[in-house]
Order: sequence, then C-alpha cells, then structure tokens
Amino acid sequence: QSALTQPASVSGSPGQSITISCTGTSSDVGIYNLVSWYQQHPGKAPKLMIYEVSKRPSGVSNRFSGSKSGNTASLTISGLQAEDEADYYCYSYGSSSRLFGGGTKLTVL
Amino acid sequence: QVQLQESGPGLVKPSQTLSLTCSISGGSITSGDYYWSWIRQHPGKGLEWIGYIYHSGSTYYNPSLKGRLTISVGTSKSQFILKLSSVTAADTAVYHCAREGVAAMVNAFDIWGQGTMVTVSS
Repeated sequence: QSALTQPASVSGSPGQSITISCTGTSSDVGIYNLVSWYQQHPGKAPKLMIYEVSKRPSGVSNRFSGSKSGNTASLTISGLQAEDEADYYCYSYGSSSRLFGGGTKLTVL
Repeated sequence: QVQLQESGPGLVKPSQTLSLTCSISGGSITSGDYYWSWIRQHPGKGLEWIGYIYHSGSTYYNPSLKGRLTISVGTSKSQFILKLSSVTAADTAVYHCAREGVAAMVNAFDIWGQGTMVTVSS
C-alpha cells in the first residue's frame, strides 16, 4: 500500500503562514478522521503536533492547526518561527493498514 | 511520566533475525488505552509503520512485513519485543517504539522512544 502523498518541501519567511498537504484515498484519509501530524528535527524522535485531524495536544502552540477536505488533510503553521524548520509527517488510520506520508521539509527563509 | 527506550544490537548479519526490546518506564502494557507500536525510518527517508501489540496480546502488522515480523510482550509487562527475520540491507533503519492511543488521541503516537539504529551488514 502506498504512502500518503506530501510535498517534498515547502518554505516560508518568519511571520508568514504555510500549509502542508497530505493526500490519501477513500480508504484512509477520506473516510476516517484519524489523521495526525508529527514534527521531526534532525536526529530527534518525531513529536505529535496534531491528532484526530484538528486537535492539538497539550503544550503544542496554537500556531499549528489541522483540517481535512475529502481525501486530503492539511497542516497549517501560522506566524512561522525559525524553530519550526523541521520535517513534518502525516499519518492516517486506514481500512487495511496504517500509513505515513513521505514527509515534507519545511525551510524557514 | 511514561518514557520509552529501545535496546538491541546495532549490527545484524543478512538473513539473521533482528531483535529489539522497548522498555516502558512509568507505565506498562496492561493498560488497554494504548497500542504499543514499532516504527522505522530508513536513512534519510520517511517513517514506516511496522506494527503494534495490544494488552490482550493481539497484534497488527504492516502487510509488507507480514511473514517476517513478530511483536510480543516481554516477560515483564513493561517491555515489548520486535523480531524481524531474514533481514536484508533494506531493513537497515532507525527503529522507534511508540505509544498509540486507543481511547484518547485515537491512532496518534503521543510518546516515542529516541530510536535505535540497526545496520544489516556482513
């Protein structure tokens, strides 16, 4: 089963907003509200940023938000900061497996 | 506060079995609120879900690894174990254990181990 589709890279300047998309199918993202997003800095373990499409764990900045439309989920980061530069991965429950996206490298210019 | 820590050999020969242990501190597998999972990351690549074990002993594996994979609970309920047989260079990766929510933060990994690098080479 193929990974969820994410753009390989996105970039933005400090203070701007960016959105990272995560496209699946009607067997995973499209049918279940069970998409989560992870931030990973080099050499570190991934950190949960969003769960169940749009919920934020305690301690995660409200600059991070999630949404979904059809088979595509999105992570939006507003008010970009230098510390947001990292790799971001989506993950979804699916009817036949569990899938990660290929990852998106966010560069803060 | 629950913490996870992976341990095991960093080098495995091709065709042998890779065996890793995830030790849980501050909690145990007996909680029915979580799946206890393994995830790997090939060098410079993305994350790949491997599988999980539930407190009942039930397991669910990535179909691409089924047949080579076994996840079990350790003799102590504060450990779970990954065994991957017939390894090749394609199994070289950083292996993470993680906790996945069942009743809250459903199907999200809220706690991760730091990861352990496993190289398959003769």
